[in-house]
Amino acid sequence: GAGVSQSPRYKVAKRGQDVALRCDPISGHVSLFWYQQALGQGPEFLTYFQNEAQLDKSGLPSDRFFAERPEGSVSTLKIQRTQQEDSAVYLCASSLRPRGGGEKLFFGSGTQLSVL
Amino acid sequence: TQLLEQSPQFLSIQEGENLTVYCNSSSVFSSLQWYRQEPGEGPVLLVTVVTGGEVKKLKRLTFQFGDARKDSSLHITAAQPGDTGLYLCAGLYNFNKFYFGSGTKLNVKP
Repeated sequence: GAGVSQSPRYKVAKRGQDVALRCDPISGHVSLFWYQQALGQGPEFLTYFQNEAQLDKSGLPSDRFFAERPEGSVSTLKIQRTQQEDSAVYLCASSLRPRGGGEKLFFGSGTQLSVL
Repeated sequence: TQLLEQSPQFLSIQEGENLTVYCNSSSVFSSLQWYRQEPGEGPVLLVTVVTGGEVKKLKRLTFQFGDARKDSSLHITAAQPGDTGLYLCAGLYNFNKFYFGSGTKLNVKP
């Protein structure tokens, strides 16, 4: 596609429910990033993929968060047993080159997760 | 710990005024980027600065990277309502990871 696509745009979950957020990066982009953005704040890094390899997951806040990119294109961020503090916008970004190349990040519109 | 501090947090001005947004850190960055984010959308890259002291201009926007590559500023001349949004700086640390500032929310009133 022309840009980074994320789905769903909005997700309301009951506390304790599992959720899965999808990201379709720009075709051919090597790098894929997940960020978490709280209301009125800047994005916080969660995890990074280079093709199918998850090279950095240092920003994942707990072991309830899991991300995968099995074929090096589409990625899924899964949150198990959601808590209210997980409520945020989850942004996906992709870039053409591997991380560290001064890359331009292309962001999706995000998934706004609300945990009740 | 916030690696990048942005100021001011909020700015509300009249159309035609000038403004400057600051992005400061005690850390040295390989490069620094500025993004603009509108409600319900992801951030969109405005500029990347790489060299200490570098100045880049994008129409009415002027970006400067500090000599020591620890800070940056964004200056907007004759602001317009279309400039309204959340301005974010992002620093590339150790050629490895982008850290975002907390953002400056700009509102330009007609």
